[in-house]
Amino acid sequence: EDKVVQSPLSLVVHEGDTVTLNCSYEVTNFRSLLWYKQEKKAPTFLFMLTSSGIEKKSGRLSSILDKKELFSILNITATQTGDSAVYLCAVGATIQGAQKLVFGQGTRLTINP
Amino acid sequence: EPEVTQTPSHQVTQMGQEVILRCVPISNHLYFYWYRQILGQKVEFLVSFYNNEISEKSEIFDDQFSVERPDGSNFTLKIRSTKLEDSAMYFCASTPGGGAHYNEQFFGPGTRLTVL
Repeated sequence: EDKVVQSPLSLVVHEGDTVTLNCSYEVTNFRSLLWYKQEKKAPTFLFMLTSSGIEKKSGRLSSILDKKELFSILNITATQTGDSAVYLCAVGATIQGAQKLVFGQGTRLTINP
Repeated sequence: EPEVTQTPSHQVTQMGQEVILRCVPISNHLYFYWYRQILGQKVEFLVSFYNNEISEKSEIFDDQFSVERPDGSNFTLKIRSTKLEDSAMYFCASTPGGGAHYNEQFFGPGTRLTVL
């Protein structure tokens, strides 16, 4: 059975701290690993990773994938209160052309001022 | 910026009633998906749809569920006879292509379904 596990489930830090969120997976027909941010409703896309060892960066956020060890991390530096959200890791698995996303349970990040 | 839209934002229904959740995917996208998220739980894949047919469905997507693309823009999820456990947030998503390309899925804002 396809499985995506995120840790920690919950994290509370102070503004300005750096955080690292973890995602490990066991998925057949792996195509990609995606990170989403979920605030109130819809997940909004952050990163898509398909190759090992290549860091993706967007401002204070960065992510990297290790396809040998089957995990990814999402780093957020100099956190701000607006970073408070649930961060979802999802693995894309392709079958017959279409792709389904298998989601982890999410990490709830709270940034205190 | 183009976005996926969903209606209604909140639907309340009685157990046993039929509901239709509507989605308008991004216009040039070819693959469409439904996911659901029960309160406090993971986002779960329900079904993928391409070229007017189901590509894959999960074990959640039983005979009570159906999907349709009735015209060139809408993509609907029908639950024939709702159960209490169908209460969840239902997300529609779309991608320009499938397989090796365009793996990012764009999500709509969701429809919260409450079954009483």
